[in-house]
Amino acid sequence: NAGVTQTPKFQVLKTGQSMTLQCAQDMNHNSMYWYRQDPGMGLRLIYYSASEGTTDKGEVPNGYNVSRLNKREFSLRLESAAPSQTSVYFCASSELADSYGYTFGSGTRLTVV
Amino acid sequence: AQSVTQLDSQVPVFEEAPVELRCNYSSSVSVYLFWYVQYPNQGLQLLLKYLSGSTLVKSINGFEAEFNKSQTSFHLRKPSVHISDTAEYFCAVSDTGGFKTIFGAGTRLFVKA
Repeated sequence: NAGVTQTPKFQVLKTGQSMTLQCAQDMNHNSMYWYRQDPGMGLRLIYYSASEGTTDKGEVPNGYNVSRLNKREFSLRLESAAPSQTSVYFCASSELADSYGYTFGSGTRLTVV
Repeated sequence: AQSVTQLDSQVPVFEEAPVELRCNYSSSVSVYLFWYVQYPNQGLQLLLKYLSGSTLVKSINGFEAEFNKSQTSFHLRKPSVHISDTAEYFCAVSDTGGFKTIFGAGTRLFVKA
C-alpha cells in the first residue's frame, strides 16, 4: 500500500544545475500532478497529466518540464535550477479528474543555492 | 478564474474546544470542494469533499463542512478538538470534471493542552 512515492526526499542544488524529481503511483490512477508548496501561498500546480500520453501546463510551469513515462510514473525536470525554485514539491494522483480527490506523495524538499 | 481564500492563517484553540476554519471561494461554474490536512513533514491527505447532494459532509474523525452556495463558503468545523488535530488545513476547489484543483494558502490549527 505504497500509494504515491517520490524520490528524492531532500536535494540541494547549485544555481544552474539540473535534476529530475521522480514520482510513481501504484493505485492504477489515470491522472497525475506536480505541485509546489511555498509558505503562505498554498499549493500551486506546475504541470499535470490527465491520462497516459498527455501533459498540460498548470499555473506556474516556467522553468520546468515533465514526462509521463507510463501510467505509473510522472517525472518533473528542472533544466537550470534557480533560487526561486527552492520549494517543497508534491506529486499527486487521482483516479479520474478532480472529483475523486488526490492522493499525495510525501514531498521533495529542494533548496537551490 | 477560480480562487480560494482561507480567512485565517493561524487558529490557536484549547483542547476539547470547538473550532471553525473558514474558507470562501469564487467561481463562475459548478465546483467540487475539498478539505485536506497536512501533518508536519508529510504530504496532504484528503479529509472530506463535497461533490453534490447533501450540503453537509463529514469525515471519519469528527470534522464536518457545509457547502453554502449563496455565500460561496465551505467552512470546516469540529465540535471538540484533540491535540492530535494540530496540523495545517487546506481548502481546495475545482471545476466539475476538471483537472486543475486550486488550493487556499492554508490554516495552521494549533491545539493547546
